[in-house]
Amino acid sequence: AQSVTQLGSHVSVSEGALVLLRCNYSSSVPPYLFWYVQYPNQGLQLLLKYTSAATLVKGINGFEAEFKKSETSFHLTKPSAHMSDAAEYFCAVSEESGGSYIPTFGRGTSLIVHP
Amino acid sequence: NAGVTQTPKFRILKIGQSMTLQCTQDMNHNYMYWYRQDPGMGLKLIYYSVGAGITDKGEVPNGYNVSRSTTEDFPLRLELAAPSQTSVYFCASSYMTATYGYTFGSGTRLTVV
Repeated sequence: AQSVTQLGSHVSVSEGALVLLRCNYSSSVPPYLFWYVQYPNQGLQLLLKYTSAATLVKGINGFEAEFKKSETSFHLTKPSAHMSDAAEYFCAVSEESGGSYIPTFGRGTSLIVHP
Repeated sequence: NAGVTQTPKFRILKIGQSMTLQCTQDMNHNYMYWYRQDPGMGLKLIYYSVGAGITDKGEVPNGYNVSRSTTEDFPLRLELAAPSQTSVYFCASSYMTATYGYTFGSGTRLTVV
């Protein structure tokens, strides 16, 4: 069975600082991995996804994530935070089960950006 | 291109009332999903559908029903609303399987009093 753990329900950074949001997963087979972003009062938007191609995945808005099989991690990073990055971020993992690939979502990490 | 459209955006129900949350997508996606989002709990899958006429239960289906008569529409029915169903509900769709990533609607905020 798959599961997702996002370390830290809140992460606070200063504008211009490195953003690091952690995601660890458990999966019995090579998974598909995703990061979604949710701005206030909006639905989730796909940031990036890993589907067994390059282990370093680049997404929108300058975010990227690296798939590390040995650590079962898929951490999200951005070199320099902007005020507009303040949002809720969700990691999701998907593996094949009965012909479907229904993802499991983490509980989310709220990114707070200070001026 | 509207993507995934959910109506209504907000609703207050009294205990025991029923309602239908509407979801429509115009991307010809086969797969559609209903999630509920509660603070600090992430998203929980209620029901999903892999095509017209086919639906299946997710993690938290109790108290809900769905139907999928067309590719475009995937309504979620709440019968006998309870306070535990107070939540934000999201509809999503994907091309073929979820490996392509989801497109989400903007959500329906439901309060049961």
